[in-house]
Amino acid sequence: ETGVTQSPTHLIKTRGQQVTLRCSSQSGHNTVSWYQQALGQGPQFIFQYYREEENGRGNFPPRFSGLQFPNYSSELNVNALELDDSALYLCASSSNPGLQGKTEAFFGQGTRLTVV
Amino acid sequence: GEDVEQSLFLSVREGDSSVINCTYTDSSSTYLYWYKQEPGAGLQLLTYIFSNMDMKQDQRLTVLLNKKDKHLSLRIADTQTGDSAIYFCAESIRNTGFQKLVFGTGTRLLVSP
Repeated sequence: ETGVTQSPTHLIKTRGQQVTLRCSSQSGHNTVSWYQQALGQGPQFIFQYYREEENGRGNFPPRFSGLQFPNYSSELNVNALELDDSALYLCASSSNPGLQGKTEAFFGQGTRLTVV
Repeated sequence: GEDVEQSLFLSVREGDSSVINCTYTDSSSTYLYWYKQEPGAGLQLLTYIFSNMDMKQDQRLTVLLNKKDKHLSLRIADTQTGDSAIYFCAESIRNTGFQKLVFGTGTRLLVSP
């Protein structure tokens, strides 16, 4: 158990809808990163939140957005869902954004999103 | 560039050693990681190696790093059926203000009794 919890575990949405995924970070961690893992692929970095601000973003369109709250939990929002958004969404929490060397990222179990 | 490559599949017998290989492209990576993913689960950090090291041993796991060739390997000694999973190699890429992980496509390890 990593102490990182994600909800819901599974979700089915229709194309064009919007979805919100949630992540509670490990106690003491102020940084949350989100990754998308398509079937048969490795995780791809979406963005990172540090102290309630987005401080880094991968190659994902603006319809992928997020929030981080004062308790460092985080949300990932996806608007105008497309079929290709079907994937496992993983949240990782860490004690810093990784600028001081090794950053151990602890991953949650993920949310499996299916877009139909 | 940011690209991590792994072979897709490895099959071994219980008790044998397993060696999973990975190549990466970003020579500025400071840390390289190995993660394990079991069916329907998230990622579990197995081990990591700092880029100025050649080898790291952690119980049954041995990581070898050839920085010149940008080649990383994970050796699992005395492989058990419980080691069956997908193994991901990841390099840390440092950008302005943050660090992200770039993962390979994963190697599926199947351990037969």
